[in-house]
Amino acid sequence: AQSVTQPDIHITVSEGASLELRCNYSYGATPYLFWYVQSPGQGLQLLLKYFSGDTLVQGIKGFEAEFKRSQSSFNLRKPSVHWSDAAEYFCAVGEGGADGLTFGKGTHLIIQP
Amino acid sequence: EAQVTQNPRYLITVTGKKLTVTCSQNMNHEYMSWYRQDPGLGLRQIYYSMNVEVTDKGDVPEGYKVSRKEKRNFPLILESPSPNQTSLYFCASSLSRPKDTQYFGPGTRLTVL
Repeated sequence: AQSVTQPDIHITVSEGASLELRCNYSYGATPYLFWYVQSPGQGLQLLLKYFSGDTLVQGIKGFEAEFKRSQSSFNLRKPSVHWSDAAEYFCAVGEGGADGLTFGKGTHLIIQP
Repeated sequence: EAQVTQNPRYLITVTGKKLTVTCSQNMNHEYMSWYRQDPGLGLRQIYYSMNVEVTDKGDVPEGYKVSRKEKRNFPLILESPSPNQTSLYFCASSLSRPKDTQYFGPGTRLTVL
């Protein structure tokens, strides 16, 4: 069965600093990989996704993620965070069939002034 | 505006009192899904529907029912709610498969006393 691990429950970053959120997955084949963001009191919004091809994926709000098959990772990055990036971030994996996505437990991002 | 709506947004009820949470999308999506979000557990899929009259169980279906009589609506039914169903519920829809971009509703916070 597929699984997703987000090792960091909380991360605190200063405004303007760079950010990297970690995601590791367990899956036999090449999975479909996603990053979603959940702002306080809101639903989830897709930041970016990877299906195939270029392993560096650009998303919305200045985020990018890199798929590394050898490390089974799909880490999310942003070169300079803004206070509005404070939110919960979820990594998810899917296999392309009818079953829904498997989500990680989330990483809570706190931005320090 | 393309959106997924859920009602109610907040609900406090008592054990055993049947309730329905409605979900509606205006994007003509075929795939719809229900998730529950619990602290430390991330999102877990309850039920999904590939199209009208086609539904299937997700990872945590016990205690829930769904129906898909119309393409746009996918209500979640709790026939006899219990306190362990206290959670934040999200409805999501996508074009035809979970790997397509999923659009999430704003969530329904349910408390069962």
